[in-house]
Amino acid sequence: GIQVEQSPPDLILQEGANSTLRCNFSDSVNNLQWFHQNPWGQLINLFYIPSGTKQNGRLSATTVATERYSLLYISSSQTTDSGVYFCASPSGNTGKLIFGQGTTLQVKP
Amino acid sequence: DGGITQSPKYLFRKEGQNVTLSCEQNLNHDAMYWYRQDPGQGLRLIYYSQIVNDFQKGDIAEGYSVSREKKESFPLTVTSAQKNPTAFYLCASSLGGNTEAFFGQGTRLTVV
Repeated sequence: GIQVEQSPPDLILQEGANSTLRCNFSDSVNNLQWFHQNPWGQLINLFYIPSGTKQNGRLSATTVATERYSLLYISSSQTTDSGVYFCASPSGNTGKLIFGQGTTLQVKP
Repeated sequence: DGGITQSPKYLFRKEGQNVTLSCEQNLNHDAMYWYRQDPGQGLRLIYYSQIVNDFQKGDIAEGYSVSREKKESFPLTVTSAQKNPTAFYLCASSLGGNTEAFFGQGTRLTVV
């Protein structure tokens, strides 16, 4: 089945800095989601992005399906951006999501 | 408010007990999923259901059981056969296929 790898595993930023998180997947995908897991454990949907580029405020994401990767950009980071960021892609056509191991982001004031 | 509700938020289980985690959604989604998350790890699929009265095993189904008698509800039972049940459990739903999935707030289960 499909494998999903995220990098870097850990990231420490100063408030106001920009960052790029990467998600590589081992096979072609027709869906990719980015999530932010907050300190209470809830998974917040950031982007549903099978291909192309989307923006939402300070966050944007790009998926290049033909090259099997997706990028999440965080600009002007804030302490509230801290947490774990996951990307996930479905295996097969049932919607079962395969998750990467996550990137743990810490934004320092 | 539309969404996915999991209860309870925290659950403590004694050795040898079965416990049931609740997941309810009012999004009119056909598909529902249960995932398990261990510390520092990604999520792994336990069971999923694409339609009422039907469900399939995921990657780590041993020691768990589910039912799907209503579209809105997909409870997960952690049985005494699950040797290491302490984990964070997340329920999700979607319209089906590879559409966008949404998650509940999770249940943290601890064996005491």
